[in-house]
Amino acid sequence: DAGVIQSPRHEVTEMGQEVTLRCKPISGHDYLFWYRQTMMRGLELLIYFNNNVPIDDSGMPEDRFSAKMPNASFSTLKIQPSEPRDSAVYFCASSLWGGAGGRNEQFFGPGTRLTVL
Amino acid sequence: AQSVTQPDIHITVSEGASLELRCNYSYGATPYLFWYVQSPGQGLQLLLKYFSGDTLVQGIKGFEAEFKRSQSSFNLRKPSVHWSDAAEYFCAVGGENTGFQKLVFGTGTRLLVSP
Repeated sequence: DAGVIQSPRHEVTEMGQEVTLRCKPISGHDYLFWYRQTMMRGLELLIYFNNNVPIDDSGMPEDRFSAKMPNASFSTLKIQPSEPRDSAVYFCASSLWGGAGGRNEQFFGPGTRLTVL
Repeated sequence: AQSVTQPDIHITVSEGASLELRCNYSYGATPYLFWYVQSPGQGLQLLLKYFSGDTLVQGIKGFEAEFKRSQSSFNLRKPSVHWSDAAEYFCAVGGENTGFQKLVFGTGTRLLVSP
């Protein structure tokens, strides 16, 4: 399996521009997570999906951020308009429901390093 | 509220020496506990996990961790550190209170290995 795939790996944009980050989860996984990592705030969960449906978006910082999962093999995280404080590494992770007993390991992608100038 | 505390931001260990990284959690139900490692420029990789049973769990790369309910701790250990272990280590907790799938991560401990 190729693992979780994210694109692009690096993105440099100017303030005010729209940014779209992409994620392909591991085939067969039914949960997908978007995280943001910064030096100041560490690893933050932004939103997660189950079977393509958003379950918890309480971590999305503001209305400029939106995430979609149109099908089981693709998700996007969009920032519009982008601001310099959005500069961070954004990770996508996926997992497979293992029942109430656990076994719910999250597999992480390599991340997208976003720089907003 | 659920939380994870990793009290050490940085730790430096000599190559060949033993290692212990601390993790304390706060969780209102039976916790499921994880240790992840992040090498520079990489995503997070699972080292080991605890769900139930034996409180001493073995992971990849020679790591182990011990769950101590009375101390709300899940410390990570390795008997002999290699230079390639230099990375950032994250402890995480999940379980019924967070829908089983959602994990709460600590702030991480950066491990430096000196020659």
